Order: sequence, then structure tokens, then C-alpha cells
Amino acid sequence: AQTVTQSQPEMSVQEAETVTLSCTYDTSESDYYLFWYKQPPSRQMILVIRQEAYKQQNATENRFSVNFQKAAKSFSLKISDSQLGDAAMYFCAYRSFTNAGKSTFGDGTTLTVKP
Amino acid sequence: GAVVSQHPSRVICKSGTSVKIECRSLDFQATTMFWYRQFPKQSLMLMATSNEGSKATYEQGVEKDKFLINHASLTLSTLTVTSAHPEDSSFYICSASRTGATYEQYFGPGTRLTVT
Repeated sequence: AQTVTQSQPEMSVQEAETVTLSCTYDTSESDYYLFWYKQPPSRQMILVIRQEAYKQQNATENRFSVNFQKAAKSFSLKISDSQLGDAAMYFCAYRSFTNAGKSTFGDGTTLTVKP
Repeated sequence: GAVVSQHPSRVICKSGTSVKIECRSLDFQATTMFWYRQFPKQSLMLMATSNEGSKATYEQGVEKDKFLINHASLTLSTLTVTSAHPEDSSFYICSASRTGATYEQYFGPGTRLTVT
């Protein structure tokens, strides 16, 4: 079974600064997807960024980018130019190509953005 | 596109009664839907996976007779909490995957269930 570990229960960042959220995972599969989701106080899950394991290039979405290290099974999220609206709980998730497409989520990191 | 709705958004019920939560994919067909439970400030816990026209697959430790899941069509899945008790109070979230594109999950806004 796959496991996803987020070692930082809480993080804080100053507005306009950069912050990196950590995520490691364990799997024996070679093909899979990795995701970062944002869950604001409304509790609606919002997709931040997606990475396909077969792609070596790190995914980027505007101010959000990942550092995907497949051999190390590491998938960190970098938020640049942090904004007050970035404050939320962030979940790292692993999704298998097989196993009915189930996702495994980390425990989450609560990000606070200070003005 | 790819919108998933849940109804109701909040529900309060008395202990011993049953409550049904609907999950709909509004603008796409969903072969697979997932039901999660989330406690405050905790992660999402997968309860079951439902595929249209077949029985749901429950995760270990989830009581299938208590949490009845029906995936009647490619756009609707329902979760019925039977004989609810206060410990069933939680936030329930569904997600759906497009037919033929299983790499993406689209999440509903969640339903807050309070059992008194």
C-alpha cells in the first residue's frame, strides 16, 4: 500500500515571500500521479498542481511549482510571492494508475500567510 | 467544466434516523465516484469507491451496512448513513473521475453532518 507523509503540520510565510511544503511518499509502482490540493476554510478541495511520474520536468502553475524527485520519492510544493489567499490546508496526494484509481492523502500542512 | 455538486451542504438529524447525501457530476459522466470522510483539521479518509451499475467497494473498517452507497447513473452517487449516531457526525466529501480519464478527481463541496 502507498503512504504519503507530510512532515510539516504547520507552516507560516510572510506575504510576498516564498515557502516550500514537503511531501514524501512510498510506493512500489513506477507509474502514478502526484497532486497538491488546497483546502481553504470553505473546505472545498482545489487542485493546485499535478505531476505525472513519467515526466521528468517539474510541473509549474503560475506561482506554484513542484520539485519532483522520483528516486527519492519526494514531491515538494513551492509557493512564490505568497498571497493572503494562499492561506489554507494543503494536501499532498498520490494516485495510482491501477488500484481503481484510488488516492492516498497526506495528513496536510496548514499554511498561514502573515501580512 | 468538471463540476461536482453535493446536496445537502449541511444536515442535522436525530440519533437513530437515516440521512441521504447526493453527489452529482453536473457536466461530465463519472465512471467512478469516491466517498471520503474528514474530521476537523485532519486528512481525507477514503470510505468507499463506487462504480456505476455495480456494488461499491468499501475500505477496511468501514461498515457497509451503515454507509450505503448507490451509484445509479453516470452522474449520481448517493451515500446513506443509516441509524445515525453522534459519532457519525463529520464532513463527507465525494469526488468523481471522468469516464476515460481517471487521472483527475473532481471534488464536491462537501456535506457537514451533525447527529444530535
